[in-house]
Amino acid sequence: DADVTQTPRNRITKTGKRIMLECSQTKGHDRMYWYRQDPGLGLRLIYYSFDVKDINKGEISDGYSVSRQAQAKFSLSLESAIPNQTALYFCAITDRWNTEAFFGQGTRLTVV
Amino acid sequence: AQSVAQPEDQVNVAEGNPLTVKCTYSVSGNPYLFWYVQYPNRGLQFLLKYITGDNLVKGSYGFEAEFNKSQTSFHLKKPSALVSDSALYFCAVRDPSDYKLSFGAGTTVTVRA
Repeated sequence: DADVTQTPRNRITKTGKRIMLECSQTKGHDRMYWYRQDPGLGLRLIYYSFDVKDINKGEISDGYSVSRQAQAKFSLSLESAIPNQTALYFCAITDRWNTEAFFGQGTRLTVV
Repeated sequence: AQSVAQPEDQVNVAEGNPLTVKCTYSVSGNPYLFWYVQYPNRGLQFLLKYITGDNLVKGSYGFEAEFNKSQTSFHLKKPSALVSDSALYFCAVRDPSDYKLSFGAGTTVTVRA
């Protein structure tokens, strides 16, 4: 089983719809992150959480919200999806020493 | 603020030839440096990291990288490329005093048979 699992893997949704992307991990790491990947821009941080009661905005949080339901679960929501949120979304985890990050396989989201 | 530059969008090499993917960084303190690889329709996989110690770091799949503090570079290398090395490669940097991992824009490597 993968250390970090994202669901769904692919999703097409309409403008204005609410959508949730889910992430779960089995490594017991405290820190969880949501990134989006756009061609030519690398990965940009949307939100991060250092424990269940800690939620922080990243560099591009507008239009997104998150929930840390448990140590192992971190979900990303688009309250009202818009086409420029079409991207590849990655969940990642690190331990408290922030050495290497482990990534999920990504969710390809298309907003039409 | 920390940042990473990958000056080449694409690198093309023939199988069996050396492969180099360039990365330069900017960070206020001593950097933690990472390379990740992304194969089509897959997540990012960790290749190697530099935290401290020997400037030459060896990683997965025969890759290595050399930390050069004076040139603020962390180039990824493989002595003999394989077709299966064709993928998107990301360099990343983190200031040890911070949580934030900053990624470069990525370099697409194509290895032709």
